[in-house]
Amino acid sequence: GAVVSQHPSWVICKSGTSVKIECRSLDFQATTMFWYRQFPKQSLMLMATSNEGSKATYEQGVEKDKFLINHASLTLSTLTVTSAHPEDSSFYICSAEEGYNEQFFGPGTRLTVL
Amino acid sequence: GENVEQHPSTLSVQEGDSAVIKCTYSDSASNYFPWYKQELGKRPQLIIDIRSNVGEKKDQRIAVTLNKTAKHFSLHITETQPEDSAVYFCAASRGYGNKLVFGAGTILRVKS
Repeated sequence: GAVVSQHPSWVICKSGTSVKIECRSLDFQATTMFWYRQFPKQSLMLMATSNEGSKATYEQGVEKDKFLINHASLTLSTLTVTSAHPEDSSFYICSAEEGYNEQFFGPGTRLTVL
Repeated sequence: GENVEQHPSTLSVQEGDSAVIKCTYSDSASNYFPWYKQELGKRPQLIIDIRSNVGEKKDQRIAVTLNKTAKHFSLHITETQPEDSAVYFCAASRGYGNKLVFGAGTILRVKS
């Protein structure tokens, strides 16, 4: 299947700092990528849909100024958590769409904000 | 918007038995229904999917059925093995470029 990478796999930062997470499709081009957040023992919560060359579409309740998404190429989307706080600590996972709506997930990034 | 409900939330089966997980969806425009398996701390892995023009699809021990009229679809795992133990998520989508809406997940435990 298609391969999606995500970097970093984990990050610990101080409250108030910004963290950038990268999501790459390694062997295919993805016009659309998606960013999810997952809390322990819960389902995946979609944060935003990232389209190459255009602004991301955010889900209701997700602050677009706090979670900045950039999809500058067909293989790379980035999520920047700005002014991170402890409540932003979570598992962030991206997915990339290949073919007809088949989504392949990255390995996730575990963010811990102290 | 779309709403996907998944049952049961936990399922324990004996090794070798079958497991069935059921999902219902609300949006009649949804036409793509994937199933993902997620092991602890790892990424969700696509295990099988079905589109609305098909009623059933099988891949070795895994099968998915879709009833468009009733708006429900199910995952069937036969001859379960301990390595099938994981969390399984169903999802629904309107197709290319559209988001997936996930069910709440089912924790499957296969006892040996």
